[in-house]
Amino acid sequence: EVQLVESGGGLVQPGGSLRLSCEASGFTFSGYWIHWVRQAPGKGLEWISRINDDGTSTSYLDSVRGRFTISRDNAKNTVFLQMTSLRGDDTGVYYCVRVSGSFIQTNYYYYMDVWGKGTTVTVSS
Amino acid sequence: DVQVTQSPSSLSASVGDRVTLTCRASQSIGSFLNWYQQHPGKAPKLLIYVATNLHSGVPSRFSGSGSGTLFTLTISSLQPEDSATYFCQQTYSTPALTFGGGTRVEIK
Repeated sequence: EVQLVESGGGLVQPGGSLRLSCEASGFTFSGYWIHWVRQAPGKGLEWISRINDDGTSTSYLDSVRGRFTISRDNAKNTVFLQMTSLRGDDTGVYYCVRVSGSFIQTNYYYYMDVWGKGTTVTVSS
Repeated sequence: DVQVTQSPSSLSASVGDRVTLTCRASQSIGSFLNWYQQHPGKAPKLLIYVATNLHSGVPSRFSGSGSGTLFTLTISSLQPEDSATYFCQQTYSTPALTFGGGTRVEIK
């Protein structure tokens, strides 16, 4: 079964740190880019970071750049999200997502086809 | 950056109704548009990719149309299990694959 399983969420004080993990199974992990998407309570979906298949390229949402670091260990089929200097507005469910793509005519199209169940991060004193 | 705006923010319809959700992009994005369904307390699921392509396992009552700046998701005959929030996502402007604010669909 193709799946992603997140872990590492919890309650942390403002200014604290957490390390989220996302373990993949059922597919060739090293062949896919992985993204993190979060959802604040009662709100919509917010893309926050991505890493390419071999871990050499990363990108971040402006509001987390410099505080969050995404990395991966393809030998362990795992992606990590190191979060520091956490703030109240970082509270939410964090989803690990596999991105697949299709070449159609001259364009390459991306879509998020496998989602983990999410891990909850609560930043509060 | 490309912004995507969904309308309405919520709707209520009866079982069997035809329902249409709209997503507008702030600039032309071709067919770089996906749709996701999210039930309460669950992770989102991919419904439609590249504007019109039905993801594997998704019921055929779901369909997507549009290109450029205007896109629609249609449920041809609403079923009780379709009560959920639906999000569109643009993938034209990377790396941030931004989402619309969502449309909540309720069953009357």
